[in-house]
Amino acid sequence: GPKVLQIPSHQIIDMGQMVTLNCDPVSNHLYFYWYKQILGQQMEFLVNFYNGKVMEKSKLFKDQFSVERPDGSYFTLKIQPTALEDSAVYFCASSLSLGGLEQYFGPGTRLTVL
Amino acid sequence: QQKVQQSPESLIVPEGGMASLNCTFSDRNSQYFWWYRQHSGEGPKALMSIFSNGDKKEGRFTAHLNKASLHVSLHIKDSQPSDSALYFCAVSMAGSFNKLTFGAGTRLAVCP
Repeated sequence: GPKVLQIPSHQIIDMGQMVTLNCDPVSNHLYFYWYKQILGQQMEFLVNFYNGKVMEKSKLFKDQFSVERPDGSYFTLKIQPTALEDSAVYFCASSLSLGGLEQYFGPGTRLTVL
Repeated sequence: QQKVQQSPESLIVPEGGMASLNCTFSDRNSQYFWWYRQHSGEGPKALMSIFSNGDKKEGRFTAHLNKASLHVSLHIKDSQPSDSALYFCAVSMAGSFNKLTFGAGTRLAVCP
């Protein structure tokens, strides 16, 4: 079936540094999402993105977070600067459209902030 | 704010048995309901969706939705060891941009 890829699978970074998480969504999908899962807790919505714009974001999507997809390449989540509480697994997802269509998830990037 | 709760937290069933997973949601404007399955080290994968009240059957899996009771369930018939995984209920609202609110998950173990 359709696959979403995420690079890297693991990232360890010092607090205060910048990190970029990369997502290669399903090729014909138009809507892109990031979710955050802290160990032992439920997955939480961060942001969705369509046509170059953030459509909706949660309160977890702090000012230090940004997303973009320049020229149809990777869909990225950038955190600058990172904080200890940003340690989590970040899942990227994509969907063809809205209206309850399935979101396809990547395998996640485990981010550890020291 | 939407709250999605799942029960039980974990479930052990014998091979060939029936597994029943429950999910309650808080917002009556909820419109789309999904069950996702996640194996260790992988991302969640959609198992099935249900959008209307009643039952929806896909092979060994049956989802049931009762919007008035704010309840959705998943029943797995003839459970197999390969069904062992973490199961998430996910809900999205009418008028939202497909934002999914997830439950904490039910960990299912099917023992041979």
